[in-house]
Amino acid sequence: DSGVTQTPKHLITATGQRVTLRCSPRSGDLSVYWYQQSLDQGLQFLIQYYNGEERAKGNILERFSAQQFPDLHSELNLSSLELGDSALYFCASSVGGARIQETQYFGPGTRLLVL
Amino acid sequence: QQPVQSPQAVILREGEDAVINCSSSKALYSVHWYRQKHGEAPVFLMILLKGGEQKGHEKISASFNEKKQQSSLYLTASQLSYSGTYFCGTEERGTGNQFYFGTGTSLTVIP
Repeated sequence: DSGVTQTPKHLITATGQRVTLRCSPRSGDLSVYWYQQSLDQGLQFLIQYYNGEERAKGNILERFSAQQFPDLHSELNLSSLELGDSALYFCASSVGGARIQETQYFGPGTRLLVL
Repeated sequence: QQPVQSPQAVILREGEDAVINCSSSKALYSVHWYRQKHGEAPVFLMILLKGGEQKGHEKISASFNEKKQQSSLYLTASQLSYSGTYFCGTEERGTGNQFYFGTGTSLTVIP
């Protein structure tokens, strides 16, 4: 158990819908990272937040957005869902975050299926 | 730029050694290594921050050749528990914390 929690574990929805994935980092960690893992594109970095502010952006679609709240939990919002958005979404956390040089602890992931 | 890993897959017998390579076309600031077992989240193994740095513990170690933008993960005297998919992750210089995972190497250790 890494100490990072993600909810829900599984999510089934329809195309065009909007969903919110939630992540609670380990106690004391200030950075949260979001990743998408799909069969065709592998593991992709989406975005990093550090202490409430966006720190780094990867291959995140405009239909996706994220935020980190004052209590440091983070939410990833996915809208206008397409079949290709079906994937495993991981959240990770680390203590610091000035650069991505920290040990990252991954949550168990949320499996999203878009029908 | 997604780094390229080689080999794509390897099968070992217990006790054998393996090397997994990670190569990028961009100048790198750091290289991370992770192992992911089927159906589970990736687990951090190590980070290499400096050119030439070699880190490791017990029977898993790694090196980072900054000039060649390459890193290698060394698994010695492999155990059944080493089975999984290994990913390198690279942070590119001058890109504002852009982070890319490699293509992955599937490692299977058999008795």
